Amino acid sequence: AQSVAQPEDQVNVAEGNPLTVKCTYSVSGNPYLFWYVQYPNRGLQFLLKYITGDNLVKGSYGFEAEFNKSQTSFHLKKPSALVSDSALYFCAVRDGYGGATNKLIFGTGTLLAVQP
Amino acid sequence: EAGVTQSPTHLIKTRGQQATLRCSPISGHTSVYWYQQALGLGLQFLLWYDEGEERNRGNFPPRFSGRQFPNYSSELNVNALELEDSALYLCASTSLASVGDEQFFGPGTRLTVL
Repeated sequence: AQSVAQPEDQVNVAEGNPLTVKCTYSVSGNPYLFWYVQYPNRGLQFLLKYITGDNLVKGSYGFEAEFNKSQTSFHLKKPSALVSDSALYFCAVRDGYGGATNKLIFGTGTLLAVQP
Repeated sequence: EAGVTQSPTHLIKTRGQQATLRCSPISGHTSVYWYQQALGLGLQFLLWYDEGEERNRGNFPPRFSGRQFPNYSSELNVNALELEDSALYLCASTSLASVGDEQFFGPGTRLTVL
């Protein structure tokens, strides 16, 4: 079965420093991986995705993610954190394509706290 | 382009009552997904509708049901409400036309069961 893991419940970083939010995956076949962000009392906002091609994926708000097949990881990164980046971040994998489900399977989420 | 909309924003019910949540997908999207985000349980897949048909459901009891209308909007119905049904219910839409299309989420409906 497809799954993703976010090993850190919370990541703390100072404003201006680089940030990394970790995600590892377990899939059969080619992975379709996604990052979403959730601000308090809001829905999920799409940040970026990896389907195929270049291992470095660029997304919204200056975020990027690196797909590493050998380490089965898809870590979210940003060169310089902003206080406004403070939110809950979810990694997700699509459960198949064009098949029986197509649902997203989410990690448990990582709370990013950026200190001024 | 309008995003996914959900109504109501908040819903307060008592145990045993029924709740109806509504979702309108992005124009052109035929697939609607429902997810439950309950405290301590994370985001769990509930239901998937496409072209008016239920395509898949998650590990939830039958009192969670729904439908998709000809205009692709969707309803989620929860019967015989229990306290543990209190959660944020998120609707997402996507088009299956392209490989790897992301799901776009609405703002959610906060259901509180007293």
